[in-house]
Amino acid sequence: EPEVTQTPSHQVTQMGQEVILRCVPISNHLYFYWYRQILGQKVEFLVSFYNNEISEKSEIFDDQFSVERPDGSNFTLKIRSTKLEDSAMYFCASKKTGGANYGYTFGSGTRLTVV
Amino acid sequence: DAKTTQPNSMESNEEEPVHLPCNHSTISGTDYIHWYRQLPSQGPEYVIHGLTSNVNNRMASLAIAEDRKSSTLILHRATLRDAAVYYCIPLTGANNLFFGTGTRLTVIP
Repeated sequence: EPEVTQTPSHQVTQMGQEVILRCVPISNHLYFYWYRQILGQKVEFLVSFYNNEISEKSEIFDDQFSVERPDGSNFTLKIRSTKLEDSAMYFCASKKTGGANYGYTFGSGTRLTVV
Repeated sequence: DAKTTQPNSMESNEEEPVHLPCNHSTISGTDYIHWYRQLPSQGPEYVIHGLTSNVNNRMASLAIAEDRKSSTLILHRATLRDAAVYYCIPLTGANNLFFGTGTRLTVIP
């Protein structure tokens, strides 16, 4: 069964450093998403991406965050200057179409620890 | 966005059926009802979705009330691997998937 692949599985970074989280969505999917989950809390929407541009972003997704699809397969989330409160699991997801009659496929996540 | 109400937690014995309820009384006519689950230390996983009719797949069944104000996810034989947090999420094409707190299912051996 096709999978969404995320790398690395765990990243430790110093506060203030830039990190890039990588995702390979399912190949024929057109819609891409990033979510995060702080330990013990809800899964939170960050951003959706379609046709090489951001469709929607949440209040969490401030100027420190950016997304990119640099080639035909990767989808990345960059945090420019990490803060302690950015420590969380980050999940990438993809979906074949934009309608609601289709499920999202999530990756297994990247655990980001900011020290 | 439609609001949902799910029990915080439920328990089931292994190999018995589990019925996970969800109330979504403010659902709009175009909202699909999606169910996802999150196993411990994993990403959310799609389970099933439907609009009006009951739906079955290899993982579960979804029973949707006639007035669409509630739905029930049915796991026909719970296994230890089904222990997870289950999320009921109304979804329209224009919206993104937003997670609530879900129902934590404990499966007792």
